[in-house]
Amino acid sequence: GENVEQHPSTLSVQEGDSAVIKCTYSDSASNYFPWYKQELGKRPQLIIDIRSNVGEKKDQRIAVTLNKTAKHFSLHITETQPEDSAVYFCAAAGANNLFFGTGTRLTVIP
Amino acid sequence: ETGVTQTPRHLVMGMTNKKSLKCEQHLGHNAMYWYKQSAKKPLELMFVYSLEERVENNSVPSRFSPECPNSSHLFLHLHTLQPEDSALYLCASSQVSPGTGVGYTFGSGTRLTVV
Repeated sequence: GENVEQHPSTLSVQEGDSAVIKCTYSDSASNYFPWYKQELGKRPQLIIDIRSNVGEKKDQRIAVTLNKTAKHFSLHITETQPEDSAVYFCAAAGANNLFFGTGTRLTVIP
Repeated sequence: ETGVTQTPRHLVMGMTNKKSLKCEQHLGHNAMYWYKQSAKKPLELMFVYSLEERVENNSVPSRFSPECPNSSHLFLHLHTLQPEDSALYLCASSQVSPGTGVGYTFGSGTRLTVV
């Protein structure tokens, strides 16, 4: 089955700086890669996703890049704000479900 | 409300109790999932139902028993649980099509404490 690894497990940045979270996956057949944000005490929510026929996707301050050859994808958050503080999960699509990374706790320091 | 509703939000139960968690989705999705979220293993897949048929069961102890009576409802029946089963139990739904992945919509979860 698919194996998704995510790094780092914790990340602290100053407000206004950029944050980068990286994930690798093992199954070359995976073709869909979403990212979820989970604020404290709340449900995970989809923030951005990318499909395997695209190398990069951007939505305001958030961007995701995908390198299918190397089987890795990354989340980039620019101009970070305190409200970006949360746990972020990457995932890769299997035949019937998503395989999640272990999460990155991002703390944005005002 | 995102369209996936879980009840109860909080549950405290003894190790000899029997209880059930309920999940309901109003999004017209054809797949539903149970995940266990704990500090040690975030987002651990437990069960997958696609078109009301269980398609995945990740070596979950038999004290957890899922039920999917229709595409909108999913239950997790609990009995003789252990303290280590205390966690946040998340339900999710998605629309699965052959060859394409789609994102999940998660419920708010049930915070389970086993005493």
